[in-house]
Amino acid sequence: QLQLQESGPGLVKPSETLPLTCTVSGGSISSSRYYWSWIRQPPGKGLEWIGSIYYSGSTYYNPSLKGRVIIFVDTSKNHFSLKLSSVTAADTAVYYCARQPTWHFDYWGQGALVTVSS
Amino acid sequence: QSALTQPPSASGSPGQSVTISCTGTSSDVGGYNYVSWYQHHPGKAPKLMIHDVSQRPSGVPDRFSGSKSGNTASLTVSGLQAEDEADYYCSSYAGGNNLGVFGGGTKLTVL
Repeated sequence: QLQLQESGPGLVKPSETLPLTCTVSGGSISSSRYYWSWIRQPPGKGLEWIGSIYYSGSTYYNPSLKGRVIIFVDTSKNHFSLKLSSVTAADTAVYYCARQPTWHFDYWGQGALVTVSS
Repeated sequence: QSALTQPPSASGSPGQSVTISCTGTSSDVGGYNYVSWYQHHPGKAPKLMIHDVSQRPSGVPDRFSGSKSGNTASLTVSGLQAEDEADYYCSSYAGGNNLGVFGGGTKLTVL
């Protein structure tokens, strides 16, 4: 059974970079069939797609995040990571990682709450 | 403001049916047959219930069904059960490099 688990700091200071990692178990992140994605949910709000990476390394980002996002893969550790720079309080959210076969998300992690505060 | 519009709440009694709508534009919902629906119990991982407008993944009860007309997609839950009480989100492919837009979510209450 595929499992995804987010990890990272629960608290990040404004203007700094938010780093998160998603460790995949029960399957290979190098599979050619999937994208690997990040999605977030600010408190009291809906879900927002952040971006995805294909096994080949091609990346796709939400235009609304204006170049602050980088997603990369470490196949040797079977994990992929998110870096979101210049964070503000508006970036406070539960961050989810997910597998994306094509245009839907079929396996999700439990989510990691990240608070942006000084 | 979310890209796709969902009603904030919906409700029904056990055994009844309820339909949740998801309205987008011709650039997302109306332009592709790639609408998906997710059930989210707070504190847990969201669960895929429907993909490609009407396809049910293995293990999802056939009480859940999806459809689309124009720029509006719908999720119908028939034979409501207490365990169906959750937040439901729709999502759609939006073309090009925009791999996913979501709705604001609908809180389904089983009365």
